[in-house]
Amino acid sequence: GAGVSQSPSNKVTEKGKDVELRCDPISGHTALYWYRQSLGQGLEFLIYFQGNSAPDKSGLPSDRFSAERTGGSVSTLTIQRTQQEDSAVYLCASSLGGGGETQYFGPGTRLLVL
Amino acid sequence: TQLLEQSPQFLSIQEGENLTVYCNSSSVFSSLQWYRQEPGEGPVLLVTVVTGGEVKKLKRLTFQFGDARKDSSLHITAAQPGDTGLYLCAGAPGNTPLVFGKGTRLSVIA
Repeated sequence: GAGVSQSPSNKVTEKGKDVELRCDPISGHTALYWYRQSLGQGLEFLIYFQGNSAPDKSGLPSDRFSAERTGGSVSTLTIQRTQQEDSAVYLCASSLGGGGETQYFGPGTRLLVL
Repeated sequence: TQLLEQSPQFLSIQEGENLTVYCNSSSVFSSLQWYRQEPGEGPVLLVTVVTGGEVKKLKRLTFQFGDARKDSSLHITAAQPGDTGLYLCAGAPGNTPLVFGKGTRLSVIA
């Protein structure tokens, strides 16, 4: 497809379990972003990858959250030992370059932690 | 830390009314983008404004970038139910990623 894709689209898990969320960016886009959006809220920045540079992890809320980007393409956001407050929509975006370029968003993964 | 403040946070209006939402900062941005997010989807870019004082029109939507490139407004004329969604402004500080405001949640009632 031409756009950013994310999987799964929905995920229900039990408190304490680990989850992995996947993002496939637009081909050729060097920058990739993860955001979290709680119900009715704006975007909370989590992490930013740009090319081969070290990722900007300044938005990760705790050490239970981690992300990697393999081969400069697909990214996985991992949440360990999930808590109920982790319930949210996790959005991935990519852009052609870094900086203030237009971001193209995926449809998000809706995570519900019971 | 550069912040973008959006107002109002929530807006509920009747179909056919006009509205304006605001995006303000104390920082200067090289450009500013507006996105709309519909329920169940990711945000989608509406417009990018680059020059201070710039006005762009997209059908019934008018976007303005402040002269000092610190603020922007979005005016919708004769709102329609299809305009319902979360409107996000995002500023480009330079060579760092976009800074997003918290959004204005618009509901247009038929």
